[in-house]
Amino acid sequence: AQSVTQLDSQVPVFEEAPVELRCNYSSSVSVYLFWYVQYPNQGLQLLLKYLSGSTLVKGINGFEAEFNKSQTSFHLRKPSVHISDTAEYFCAVSDPGTYKYIFGTGTRLKVLA
Amino acid sequence: GAVVSQHPSRVICKSGTSVKIECRSLDFQATTMFWYRQFPKQSLMLMATSNEGSKATYEQGVEKDKFLINHASLTLSTLTVTSAHPEDSSFYICSARPPRQGYEQYFGPGTRLTVT
Repeated sequence: AQSVTQLDSQVPVFEEAPVELRCNYSSSVSVYLFWYVQYPNQGLQLLLKYLSGSTLVKGINGFEAEFNKSQTSFHLRKPSVHISDTAEYFCAVSDPGTYKYIFGTGTRLKVLA
Repeated sequence: GAVVSQHPSRVICKSGTSVKIECRSLDFQATTMFWYRQFPKQSLMLMATSNEGSKATYEQGVEKDKFLINHASLTLSTLTVTSAHPEDSSFYICSARPPRQGYEQYFGPGTRLTVT
């Protein structure tokens, strides 16, 4: 069975500092990987996705993620965060057979002034 | 493109009543829609997979008689919470999958259900 682990439940970081949100997955088959952001009382917004090809994926709002197959990781990074990046971030894996998503438990990014 | 809407965005109902939530794909046809439930400060848990013209497939532990799902057309799926109780209060989010982009789901903005 597939699973997604986001080890950090909360990540505080000062404005303009870099940040990395960690995501590890387990799967015996090839998967598709996603990062979503959720602002309070809103739905999910896609930040970026890895389907195949280049392991470095660039997304919206200056975010990027690197797919590392050997470490089964898909960590999200941003070189300089803004106050507006404060939100909940979810890593998800899609099962190619069922198209179901399995979400991680989320990481709350809090950007401090 | 690929916009998914939900209605209502918020609903308050009395215990014992039923409430219906609509999920619409606005600019594409969705052969499959998914319904998720999210408790405060928690992740999204898949409740069921809804395929147009067929019965929904429920995840383990989800009561199909309580959470009725209908996918009557390629652009509309509904979730009806029957005989709602306070413990059903939650944030319900739907997503839709375009047929030629099987790997990706597009999410609605969510519906906040409060049962009093």
